[in-house]
Amino acid sequence: IQMTQSPSSLSASVGDRVTITCRASQDISNSLAWYQHKPGEAPKLLIYATSRLESGVPSRFSGTGSGTHHTLTISSLQPEDFATYYCQHYYSTPQTFGQGTRVEI
Amino acid sequence: QVQLVESGGGGVQPGTSLRVSCAASGFDFSQHGMYWVRQAPGKGLEWMAVIWSGGNPQFYADSVRGRFTISRDNSKSTVYLQLNSLGVDDTAVYYCARSFCAGDCHLDYWGQGTLVTVSS
Repeated sequence: IQMTQSPSSLSASVGDRVTITCRASQDISNSLAWYQHKPGEAPKLLIYATSRLESGVPSRFSGTGSGTHHTLTISSLQPEDFATYYCQHYYSTPQTFGQGTRVEI
Repeated sequence: QVQLVESGGGGVQPGTSLRVSCAASGFDFSQHGMYWVRQAPGKGLEWMAVIWSGGNPQFYADSVRGRFTISRDNSKSTVYLQLNSLGVDDTAVYYCARSFCAGDCHLDYWGQGTLVTVSS
């Protein structure tokens, strides 16, 4: 299953609403997670099962979708949200990642 | 708290082998599947392999099947990735991650990674 993430990068201002899209090459139901990755740090789980917020993750992060089309939304971008974001399906192995979206503040 | 600490990375020559390790703490290791994911310089995350809690089954990405082997020692709370026949394209930071299952199984906690550099 191929995961196509868009855009590959974006520039936004603090307070902006940001949406990242992930498309699967076949139906993955809701078996999709989103991760935030900052340089030199461990990737951090934000959302799993398409829309379930991981414990401790701010509520400005949300996920929607089903089937082949999934989105991550940051409702009001904060300075600490500068990072690269990845989607990943876990519907079957190999559990491939999208190419990543670099968010610049 | 959950901690995953990778080790064993370093500089090696093409064609050689290396074993990287991931020591886990803060949770019942024997109840969780474990993953390896890598990130080549300037590239995105690449899923490598998974091993389930009892040691079987294991699954691999096409790019490493037959060259890399994932294993675990539940008595030591450690997961391993044996890397054989290394090529320059295997240069990457290698991360281990824990599997959390709630219906489906996804990666929740990750380590900081260990760098493997393959160069002549």
